[in-house]
Amino acid sequence: DTEVTQTPKHLVMGMTNKKSLKCEQHMGHRAMYWYKQKAKKPPELMFVYSYEKLSINESVPSRFSPECPNSSLLNLHLHALQPEDSALYLCASSQAGQSNQPQHFGDGTRLSIL
Amino acid sequence: KQEVTQIPAALSVPEGENLVLNCSFTDSAIYNLQWFRQDPGKGLTSLLLIQSSQREQTSGRLNASLDKSSGRSTLYIAASQPGDSATYLCAVLDSNYQLIWGAGTKLIIKP
Repeated sequence: DTEVTQTPKHLVMGMTNKKSLKCEQHMGHRAMYWYKQKAKKPPELMFVYSYEKLSINESVPSRFSPECPNSSLLNLHLHALQPEDSALYLCASSQAGQSNQPQHFGDGTRLSIL
Repeated sequence: KQEVTQIPAALSVPEGENLVLNCSFTDSAIYNLQWFRQDPGKGLTSLLLIQSSQREQTSGRLNASLDKSSGRSTLYIAASQPGDSATYLCAVLDSNYQLIWGAGTKLIIKP
């Protein structure tokens, strides 16, 4: 079982819908990440939160809006997505600033845009 | 710009064989190198993390080495089992504290 929990596991939405992806961890990690992964490709970094503040935004379109309400939760709000946004969205967490600790990943949300 | 390459892209071996997966990177300014495993439709599981000052790490049947000066790492899997079938990704933590990923090696262990 993964220590990073992502919900929902699957999401199908139309291009005009608004939905949110949720991620939760209780390992005391203060760095949390959103990645996008297309089939047969490695993960692409989208956002990084460090101590609940957005520290990295990898030029992600504004139709993706991250939110970190507290140190255990990370949300990704979705609005007016495009078919090319269909992918596996992975959340990860790690000890902030600790190079001797790995990132821990959730099982992801499989997103399909109709 | 850091680039990470994994060879081969796919590998199929009979059960019980020992095998080696390769990872290379272009910039030696890294904090660590990590090996992950990904099963189909699942997230990534951290297997081994080698800090830049270390040469190798071992966990069970897995051994990872790091030669930072030559920009190479290997993941050695001993006595392979069908349950080892997965995609294996390596990633380096770069000077910006971001993971730079290889494209992965898809491993199939034949019973």
